[in-house]
Amino acid sequence: EVQLVESGGGLVQPGGSLRLSCVASGFTFSYYWMHWVRQAPGKGLVWVSRINSDGSTTTYADSVKGRFTISRDTAKNTLYLQMNSLRAEDTAVYYCARSQPSDGMDVWGQGTTVSVSS
Amino acid sequence: SYELTQPPSVSVSPGQAASITCSGDKLGDTYAYWYQQKPGQSPVLVIYQDKKRPSGIPERFSGSNSGNTATLTISGTQAMDEADYYCQAWDSTTVVFGGGTSLTVL
Repeated sequence: EVQLVESGGGLVQPGGSLRLSCVASGFTFSYYWMHWVRQAPGKGLVWVSRINSDGSTTTYADSVKGRFTISRDTAKNTLYLQMNSLRAEDTAVYYCARSQPSDGMDVWGQGTTVSVSS
Repeated sequence: SYELTQPPSVSVSPGQAASITCSGDKLGDTYAYWYQQKPGQSPVLVIYQDKKRPSGIPERFSGSNSGNTATLTISGTQAMDEADYYCQAWDSTTVVFGGGTSLTVL
């Protein structure tokens, strides 16, 4: 079964750090681009970051640039999102999703919740 | 930065066709994608490359994209189609989502 499973969410104070993980199974992880997308409570989807299939290219939304880092470990079939200098507005459910160029995000994880509050 | 605009809500009667629009500058020059999200669930891709349906998506879902507007059409709308729908496009190397449209079937 093709699956993405996120973990690592939790409650963190403003200014703190958190690392999210997304474990892929059921498909060849190294063939796909991977994304992080977040959704604040009661709000819409917001794209956060993307990494290409070999990890050589990353892009970020302006709102997280310089604070978040996306990476992947092909040996572990795992995608990461290192989140530093967290703010209250980063509070959201964070989803990982896969895509191939021009094909859309066709598999999504169940999401992990990040709450930034003092 | 690039923006995609969707109506906040659309209502449709069961069995009728529902159309959800997504507007963006020269959107027709790039591919549009559509996702369905039901409460408490992860998004599901329903249309990619303007008009293609992933495996398992019913034929009643269709898409088009021209000029500045992409449109998701659900023909013969069913109660199970009630959900939030998001359009998505690429802006150079970044991804942009529309604000989402809540589809009510009543």
